Parts: sequence; structure tokens; C-alpha cells
Amino acid sequence: EPEVTQTPSHQVTQMGQEVILRCVPISNHLYFYWYRQILGQKVEFLVSFYNNEISEKSEIFDDQFSVERPDGSNFTLKIRSTKLEDSAMYFCAGQGAANYGYTFGSGTRLTVV
Amino acid sequence: QKEVEQNSGPLSVPEGAIASLNCTYSDRGSQSFFWYRQYSGKSPELIMSIYSNGDKEDGRFTAQLNKASQYVSLLIRDSQPSDSATYLCAVGYSSASKIIFGSGTRLSIRP
Repeated sequence: EPEVTQTPSHQVTQMGQEVILRCVPISNHLYFYWYRQILGQKVEFLVSFYNNEISEKSEIFDDQFSVERPDGSNFTLKIRSTKLEDSAMYFCAGQGAANYGYTFGSGTRLTVV
Repeated sequence: QKEVEQNSGPLSVPEGAIASLNCTYSDRGSQSFFWYRQYSGKSPELIMSIYSNGDKEDGRFTAQLNKASQYVSLLIRDSQPSDSATYLCAVGYSSASKIIFGSGTRLSIRP
């Protein structure tokens, strides 16, 4: 069964550093999302991406966040200057058609120290 | 503010019994409804989707939707220890839009 692949599985970074989280979506998916989950809390929407541009973003997705699809297949989520409160699991998800359920990647655990 | 509400649990159910999980949502315009299972430290895994009023069955799982009451439920028949996990209710508001997750209900199946 096709999978959404995320790398790295765990990233530890110092506060103020930039991190790049990577996602390889399922090839026939059209809609893409990044979510995060702080330990013990809800899965929270960050940003959606369709047709090579951001279609929606949450209040969390401020100027320190950016998302790109540099080579037409892989996705990256960049956090420019990490804060302690950015520590969370970050999930990439894809959707084959509107209104379908998402397929989530295995996640990247980001720890900011 | 669109909200999805779930009882956090834990809900403890004996092995072989029916587990019943409930969810309410705030926006009457919601169009799509999902149940995800999340094991500790893992990503959410889609187990059911439902789009119209009534019941939808898939193996041991039945999803129920009542749009008038803004209520979604998940029944798990013949509960197994491997069903012990957190169950996330999620709601979509329009096509190709984000889905909003509830905080999840922790389910524990006791042998």
C-alpha cells in the first residue's frame, strides 16, 4: 500500500535555529497538508497546499513557517527560527480527492532545546 | 470557531464487548466526517469516513451520523486488546479544505 514518507523521524535543534522537515507524498494525491501535535494535545492544522500553492493556513502558520514543493514531488516545511513551543510531532498528509480522508505520514518529532 | 468535541476518556471496555465513541461538532455546514485511530507516538490512521445521515459499516466498525443533532459516533464490535488506542473524530467543512480534529477519546480494552 502506498505510503507518505517523512524525514527525519526525530530532529533535535537549538532554539533560534532553522529546521526543514521533509515529506514524500503518495504520487496520485492532489491535496497536501501539514499538521502538528504537541504532546498530549490535539492534532492542529497548519497549512494546506493545492496546485502548487498554499490554499489555506492557520493562525499558527506565521511568518516563521514556510512550505515548498521544490521539485514537484517532495514537500518541505521550514521553520525559520525555532522556539521552545515549536516542539511537537509534525505530520504531513495527503488526499487523493476532495472530501476524502487523509493519509498521514509517520511524522517528525521536533524537539527544540 | 469551528469545534469538534469528544469525551477524553479513558473509556474502559471488556474484551469482546461493544465500544461506543461519540463526537459532536459545531458547524452545521460540515460535509465530511472521519474517525482516526492513533496509537501512542504514532500518526493518525483513517478507519472510517461517513458523509450522509445513517450508519456505515466496515467489518467490526460502524460509523453513525446524525446531522440534525450534529453528532457522529463510532461503534467497535467484538473489541480486541489491539483496539486500545486514542480515537480521533475529524470533521471537514467544504471540499478540499482542512479537517478539524477533536481531542480524542482514549479507549482501553481490558482482557
